[in-house]
Amino acid sequence: SQKIEQNSEALNIQEGKTATLTCNYTNYSPAYLQWYRQDPGRGPVFLLLIRENEKEKRKERLKVTFDTTLKQSLFHITASQPADSATYLCALVFYGGSQGNLIFGKGTKLSVKP
Amino acid sequence: SQTIHQWPATLVQPVGSPLSLECTVEGTSNPNLYWYRQAAGRGLQLLFYSVGIGQISSEVPQNLSASRPQDRQFILSSKKLLLSDSGFYLCAWSFHRGTEAFFGQGTRLTVV
Repeated sequence: SQKIEQNSEALNIQEGKTATLTCNYTNYSPAYLQWYRQDPGRGPVFLLLIRENEKEKRKERLKVTFDTTLKQSLFHITASQPADSATYLCALVFYGGSQGNLIFGKGTKLSVKP
Repeated sequence: SQTIHQWPATLVQPVGSPLSLECTVEGTSNPNLYWYRQAAGRGLQLLFYSVGIGQISSEVPQNLSASRPQDRQFILSSKKLLLSDSGFYLCAWSFHRGTEAFFGQGTRLTVV
């Protein structure tokens, strides 16, 4: 079965630095990969989607890369701010298998210290 | 614009009692609908999805069931709750399977 691993449960960085979160998967390559932000007690909020034939996608201070050879996606937040503190989830969509449903990783809790 | 409503926000239920969580979507037609559960320290687990009225698919066999009586209404039910049913339940919708999902605010269920 497919496994999705996000590099660490928690990541602490200083304000102004770049936060880099990792999402690794096993077996088959996904059709697309998505990143979500989740605040405590709230539902996840969609941030970015990247397709299997795309290497990189940007949105404001966010950047996502997708390396199907390494079976890995990196999620970067540049010039991080305390307001960026949240749990970030990666989610994959595979052809076949779960027939196009989102499969989520456990998330990485990011804390940005002032 | 589209909105999703999920209620209640919190719920405390005794073991063996029934459950009904409701989710409605406004501003779109024929959405794909999903129920997820998020247990402490675990990722989001897909429980059910629906591509249309009366069409329910279960991802994980368990004590729960789902129904879609109307196009934009999705209900999660249980006849008898177990302690292990405690968790954070999230309803979501998307335009198409696999595209970005829009989540409700969630229901924190505690079974005691």
